[in-house]
Amino acid sequence: DAGVIQSPRHEVTEMGQEVTLRCKPISGHDYLFWYRQTMMRGLELLIYFNNNVPIDDSGMPEDRFSAKMPNASFSTLKIQPSEPRDSAVYFCASSPGGNTEAFFGQGTRLTVV
Amino acid sequence: DQQVKQNSPSLSVQEGRISILNCDYTNSMFDYFLWYKKYPAEGPTFLISISSIKDKNEDGRFTVFLNKSAKHLSLHIVPSQPGDSAVYFCAASANDMRFGAGTRLTVKP
Repeated sequence: DAGVIQSPRHEVTEMGQEVTLRCKPISGHDYLFWYRQTMMRGLELLIYFNNNVPIDDSGMPEDRFSAKMPNASFSTLKIQPSEPRDSAVYFCASSPGGNTEAFFGQGTRLTVV
Repeated sequence: DQQVKQNSPSLSVQEGRISILNCDYTNSMFDYFLWYKKYPAEGPTFLISISSIKDKNEDGRFTVFLNKSAKHLSLHIVPSQPGDSAVYFCAASANDMRFGAGTRLTVKP
């Protein structure tokens, strides 16, 4: 398996535009996590899915953020409209079970100007 | 609400010495704990874990200690090597997985 695949690796967009980040988890993994890395809070859990169902989205900062997992092999994190303070590295991770090691993608560096 | 805390943003040690990274958590429901290592421009990679039924887990130069009563865990690296220089994240899980802010470890030759 190629591991968790995120796209794009880098995204530069203007304030107010819609941004969509994509993630392909490892095949067979039941859990998918979205994180945002910031200097102050480290790896901040935004939302996680179990068997494609969102379990906890309490970390999603605002209504501008939404995430979907239409099937076991694909998830998106959307920001609409984007703002400069959304600039960060966003990571997707997947794991085969609840309390097991999670495998991370290489991240998407988002810059909103 | 930061449920997992790493209060030391950075740590510098001499090659060959012991590195001790600390982590505190607040949620008593956490029952699985992990340490991850992260290099620049890469995703975090798993290093070592420990279940709440244990108080110590060792893997080569890396040992994780868990003190449930204090809600504290630590990662010991001995001997430290320059290649260990990275950001280390502590994580705690109750199916979800919550991370701390990270500690940047620098091992000097």
